[in-house]
Amino acid sequence: NAGVTQTPKFRVLKTGQSMTLLCAQDMNHEYMYWYRQDPGMGLRLIHYSVGEGTTAKGEVPDGYNVSRLKKQNFLLGLESAAPSQTSVYFCASSYSRLAGLETQYFGPGTRLLVL
Amino acid sequence: GENVEQHPSTLSVQEGDSAVIKCTYSDSASNYFPWYKQELGKRPQLIIDIRSNVGEKKDQRIAVTLNKTAKHFSLHITETQPEDSAVYFCAASYGQNFVFGPGTRLSVLP
Repeated sequence: NAGVTQTPKFRVLKTGQSMTLLCAQDMNHEYMYWYRQDPGMGLRLIHYSVGEGTTAKGEVPDGYNVSRLKKQNFLLGLESAAPSQTSVYFCASSYSRLAGLETQYFGPGTRLLVL
Repeated sequence: GENVEQHPSTLSVQEGDSAVIKCTYSDSASNYFPWYKQELGKRPQLIIDIRSNVGEKKDQRIAVTLNKTAKHFSLHITETQPEDSAVYFCAASYGQNFVFGPGTRLSVLP
C-alpha cells in the first residue's frame, strides 16, 4: 500500500498562475483534508471532505478550491496564485470520526513557491 | 471555534533527561487529542493519542496526560534520545476536524 501520496513534490509558480495539487489514498478512507504549514504556525486546515462528492471549508479557505470526484482522490486548486500562498501543503486522510478511527495519515507534502 | 495553544515553542534537553510539552484547548466538546512528530523535511506522524474518557496513556517512553477540567494535555518523553529531536504538534478534535497547536521544536543534546 502506498498510503497517502501527493503530486507534485515541488512547484514554482509566478503570481497569477494556476495549478492543481493532487492527493491520492489507497486506504479506503472516507475523510480527506488539505492543510498548509507555515513556519511557527502549525498546520492550518484549508478544506476538507467527509466523502465522495462532498467538500467543506476549513480555517483558511480563501484563494483555494477543492474537488472530490472519486473517494480516493482529493484535488486542491489555486486559481490565481499569490506570494502569500507560498507554503508546504499536506494532504491527510482518515476513517470517519463517527467510527472512532480518527488517526490522520499524512502525505509527504508539496512545497510551493509563488514568485 | 477551537483554539489550541502549545508551550514551549522550543525545548532543549540533555540526552537521557525527560521532556514535557503542554497544550491547552478552548472547546469543552473536544474529545480526542493526538500528538504528531515531524522530522525535518518529513510528514507529520502520529506518536500517541488520548480520548477524553482517559486520564493517561503510555507507550514505552512516551506518555500523554489529559486534564479535562483544566482543558490541558501534555506529552511526556522519558530517557530522551537524539532521534527524539523533531517538531511535535498537539491537536484537539473539533467537529469533524482537528485544530493543531503551533508546534514545539525539541532538541536532544548528546
